[in-house]
Amino acid sequence: AQSVTQLGSHVSVSEGALVLLRCNYSSSVPPYLFWYVQYPNQGLQLLLKYTTGATLVKGINGFEAEFKKSETSFHLTKPSAHMSDAAEYFCAVSPSRTGANNLFFGTGTRLTVIP
Amino acid sequence: GAVVSQHPSRVICKSGTSVKIECRSLDFQATTMFWYRQFPKKSLMLMATSNEGSKATYEQGVEKDKFLINHASLTLSTLTVTSAHPEDSSFYICSAKKASSGSRTDTQYFGPGTRLTVL
Repeated sequence: AQSVTQLGSHVSVSEGALVLLRCNYSSSVPPYLFWYVQYPNQGLQLLLKYTTGATLVKGINGFEAEFKKSETSFHLTKPSAHMSDAAEYFCAVSPSRTGANNLFFGTGTRLTVIP
Repeated sequence: GAVVSQHPSRVICKSGTSVKIECRSLDFQATTMFWYRQFPKKSLMLMATSNEGSKATYEQGVEKDKFLINHASLTLSTLTVTSAHPEDSSFYICSAKKASSGSRTDTQYFGPGTRLTVL
C-alpha cells in the first residue's frame, strides 16, 4: 500500500529565506515520487519527480528534492523564497510497477511568503 | 505545452439533479484521463481512470452508477454526477496523460478543477 504524509498544512517563510516542505511516504514497492504545485484557481503543475537514478532531483522554479530511502522522505527545498512561490504544494507517490498511472497524494502544504 | 481545461469551473445545482463536468486536453491527445475528488483540507483521491474507447476503471468505494465517466475522444472525458446530493459537493479535478506516452514515468497534466455545490 502507498501513502503520503505531509507535515505541516501551513508553512510561512520570509522572502529570501529557505523553504522546506516535508514529505514522508509509505510504499510496499520501490516508489516514484512527485511534487506538484497548485496556484489559486489553477490545476496542479509538476515541480519535479524522482523515478530512478540520482536521488537529488532538481525541478522548476529553483526547487529541488532529495529521495532518502532510509528515511522514507522526499522533502522539497528552495534556498531563497520568492513571493511568487506562495501556493499549495502536494507530494505524491506511486508504485513503480504502475508509475504515474496511480498517484497517491498527501494533504498538501500551503506556503505563505512574508515580504 | 500540455494544457488541460475543465468546464464548468463552478456549478451549483439542486439535490436530485445531474451535473456534467468536462475535461479537455487542449493541445495534446490523451488516451488516459483520471478523475480525482478533493475534500477540504484533504488529499486528492483518485476516483477512476478513463481510457478512450473503453469503460472506465473505478477505484474501490466509488459508485459507477453515481459517477458516470465517458471518454469518447482523445481530447475529451466527461464526468456526470447523477442524482446529486449535498454529500457530493466537492472539488473535482481531472488529469490526462499524453497518447504518445508509453512510459510509466510520464507525467499527468492536471486541469484547474470544478467546484460542485449541491443544495
